[in-house]
This record gives sequence, structure tokens and C-alpha cells, in this order.
Amino acid sequence: AQSVTQLDSQVPVFEEAPVELRCNYSSSVSVYLFWYVQYPNQGLQLLLKYLSGSTLVKGINGFEAEFNKSQTSFHLRKPSVHISDTAEYFCVGKDSWGKLQFGAGTQVVVTP
Amino acid sequence: EAGVTQSPTHLIKTRGQQATLRCSPISGHTSVYWYQQALGLGLQFLLWYDEGEERNRGNFPPRFSGRQFPNYSSELNVNALELEDSALYLCASRYRQGVAYEQYFGPGTRLTVT
Repeated sequence: AQSVTQLDSQVPVFEEAPVELRCNYSSSVSVYLFWYVQYPNQGLQLLLKYLSGSTLVKGINGFEAEFNKSQTSFHLRKPSVHISDTAEYFCVGKDSWGKLQFGAGTQVVVTP
Repeated sequence: EAGVTQSPTHLIKTRGQQATLRCSPISGHTSVYWYQQALGLGLQFLLWYDEGEERNRGNFPPRFSGRQFPNYSSELNVNALELEDSALYLCASRYRQGVAYEQYFGPGTRLTVT
């Protein structure tokens, strides 16, 4: 069973508009949660992580995510996207073995 | 600081052949992870090496194997290649004392099996 679920496979968005990428996790992953970004033809880069503490996590490039335990969600947001934000975004959890469990990915396509 | 490096960038093999992919972790990192990113299947965990030993493997057949060398670099070997092995193979490394399993990824090796 999928332990990290990304609810949208693709999200088209206009430049300077806000974007939200939805992610839900199951109990099979711990509450160590991450968002990674994969730019075209590149490897994965860590955007942000939630370990504990404040439920609002700020990452690089203006992204932030909010951990919501009651809704088992970890949605990623950016108030104003840029063309360069076009990429695939992965929500990731850590299972009990310490392995990363990746969501299926959300392709963000930013158009002018 | 140099990042995770992988070689080759691209690899083309025919069905039944063997493929060897290489990964050099960031200096000081002792754990190496391998992932397969196949079209339509997302990112799948393959193997995890730490301090030269295989610590865990994903749900892949035994023809996927690898090793980690004393300098912490790693090889992924895929024997008896099948068409569905065509994918981007990503390597990631982690510092021994890394908090929350933060992994740093390489650019990947794109394996094409014809």
C-alpha cells in the first residue's frame, strides 16, 4: 500500500500565481516528512523537511509546507511561482526501516 | 563541496546483458542508497549500503545487486537485463550522523535496454 500519497499528478499554474501541492501520509511512515524537487534532467534536491516542532516549515526557493497531524497531510505551498519552478515535486516519508518512501510525484508546469 | 556523482550518464544495453552503474558519495558520507525511477512507476527504493554492508533492499529481484567499497563509493549491478529495467537510476548519500535521513542525490544514470 502506498504510504505517501500525492493527490495531483500534474498541476498547471500561471507565473506569479500561488501553488499548493497536496500530500497525505499513512501511519506506516514516521512523522519525518520531506519534499524533494527534481528539475528537468537533474537529480533530486531537498526543498524542506519536517522533523518535529513548528508545524510550518520553510524551505528553499520560497516554498513552505504545513504538517497537519489530524489530517495526516503535509501540503507544499508557494505564494508566487516562477517559470524556474517548473519541475517534479516529491513528497517523501521515512518508514520504520529508515528508508525513504516516495510519493508518485507532482509535475508542476508554470506558464507565463 | 562536490556533490554525489554518478557514472555513466547514459548507458545503453541489450536484453540479457549486464549493466554496472557507479556512484561516488559526498565526502564524509558513509551511506549510499540506490533508487529506480521508471516511467509510470515513480521512485522505488532499491538498495541501501552503509559502512560497506547491505542494510536493506527494496522489492526487486536478486539480479539487482551491488556493493560498497572501502572508500564508500558504490556499484549497482543489474544482470540479465530486461526491457522494463529501462529507467533513471538515482544514487543518494547520507552523512553517518545525518539527522532524519537527509539524503543528497546524484544526477542519475539513464539506463536504456533494447
